[in-house]
Amino acid sequence: SQQGEEDPQALSIQEGENATMNCSYKTSINNLQWYRQNSGRGLVHLILIRSNEREKHSGRLRVTLDTSKKSSSLLITASRAADTASYFCATTNTGGFKTIFGAGTRLFVKA
Amino acid sequence: GAVVSQHPSRVICKSGTSVKIECRSLDFQATTMFWYRQFPKQSLMLMATSNEGSKATYEQGVEKDKFLINHASLTLSTLTVTSAHPEDSSFYICSANGDPLENTEAFFGQGTRLTVV
Repeated sequence: SQQGEEDPQALSIQEGENATMNCSYKTSINNLQWYRQNSGRGLVHLILIRSNEREKHSGRLRVTLDTSKKSSSLLITASRAADTASYFCATTNTGGFKTIFGAGTRLFVKA
Repeated sequence: GAVVSQHPSRVICKSGTSVKIECRSLDFQATTMFWYRQFPKQSLMLMATSNEGSKATYEQGVEKDKFLINHASLTLSTLTVTSAHPEDSSFYICSANGDPLENTEAFFGQGTRLTVV
């Protein structure tokens, strides 16, 4: 990808389990965003964390950011079948305000 | 949040023809917009930065003569895929940033699925 890597590339879990996805990036950033994309559809913005923040919560989502390691994680707790989708991290850099995407993680939650 | 509208959502065209995709910021002015391309099961790749009133800035490996970008107003950017070929079939999506001082997320259009036959 243009910015960095996400791991795992694919994740398959049972409903009710937690899902953790990791993202690494390369440049200095203003913020980092997580998006969900269902197959063949547009992007759904999940959560944004700014470079001066370390952790953020939204419902069943928890995002952490470590700027020293240039990495972030997204935790989805108590997963549901409806959480099945691809998840992307994206960073907005400090210079040109470009938003660059990671490679993405395909999550499959089995009912 | 701000709304970005993209049109059309789907288009099928014949090989060799050109296709125009529009991206509009509905409730804010966007001096800069961005165009991405996404192939199946892959991530979004930034193609170019569209600058109102000036030339677009293209990412490495993106042919500027093939992907024409026009940003003639503060609310509209267009991407024209010229002389389209089947390998140009992809999902194209645009975005605009909010106020940089607010440090908010980018706002994405709904995307355009282009199929070249």
